[in-house]
Amino acid sequence: DIVMTQSPVSLAVSLGERATINCKSSQSVLYNSNNKDYLAWYQQKPGQPPKLLIYWASTRESGVPDRFSGSGSETDFTLTISSLQAEDVALYYCQQYSRTPFTFGPGTKVDIK
Amino acid sequence: QVQLQQSGPGLVKPSQTLSLTCAISGDTVSSNSAAWNWIRQSPSRGLEWLGRTYYRSKWYTDYAVSLRRRISINTDTAKNQFSLQLNSVTPEDTAIYYCARALVGAFVDWGQGTLVTVSS
Repeated sequence: DIVMTQSPVSLAVSLGERATINCKSSQSVLYNSNNKDYLAWYQQKPGQPPKLLIYWASTRESGVPDRFSGSGSETDFTLTISSLQAEDVALYYCQQYSRTPFTFGPGTKVDIK
Repeated sequence: QVQLQQSGPGLVKPSQTLSLTCAISGDTVSSNSAAWNWIRQSPSRGLEWLGRTYYRSKWYTDYAVSLRRRISINTDTAKNQFSLQLNSVTPEDTAIYYCARALVGAFVDWGQGTLVTVSS
């Protein structure tokens, strides 16, 4: 199985400041045949299911604010919230879908400082 | 807009079978581009993918290896829904269970979640 790790476990950022979450996979999730990284990011708020933010490592899902961006390739990825808003307080997960079993990271909690 | 509506019991006795259904609106279970997944979430295991079914000229299913002997995912095209059965449950199967629709692999749409407690 591909193991996903995330850092930090939690972070607190001032409103309007940048938040950066890292994700690492135990194997490359890059498919050379189409040059795509099979990596997604989700946001989860209490009592709700996860919400897809980013797929293909850097493609923003429709309706997701452009302050959310994804980067990275192969085994190292980053989710950046460029200017943290109060509504961004949540848990964030990365997930690989390059091969089954699809696996998630343990999550990163983002709070307001 | 795709919506997934989950139904099923929230309490299951140990050794019995957990059964959940996910009704689809806004898409069809036999779509040639979507895959239909079950995922669970618990404090001890985090988010755990359980399995999926999808149609690409014929039906396919994939299951998490750890559950392969106990899990079954089925479809009902007449009712446009898919279901999860997990046999011989133990308290370790206590979790919030989600159904989810995947496009190009990422989970785009999720059901509301069902808290299933395994207890006598």
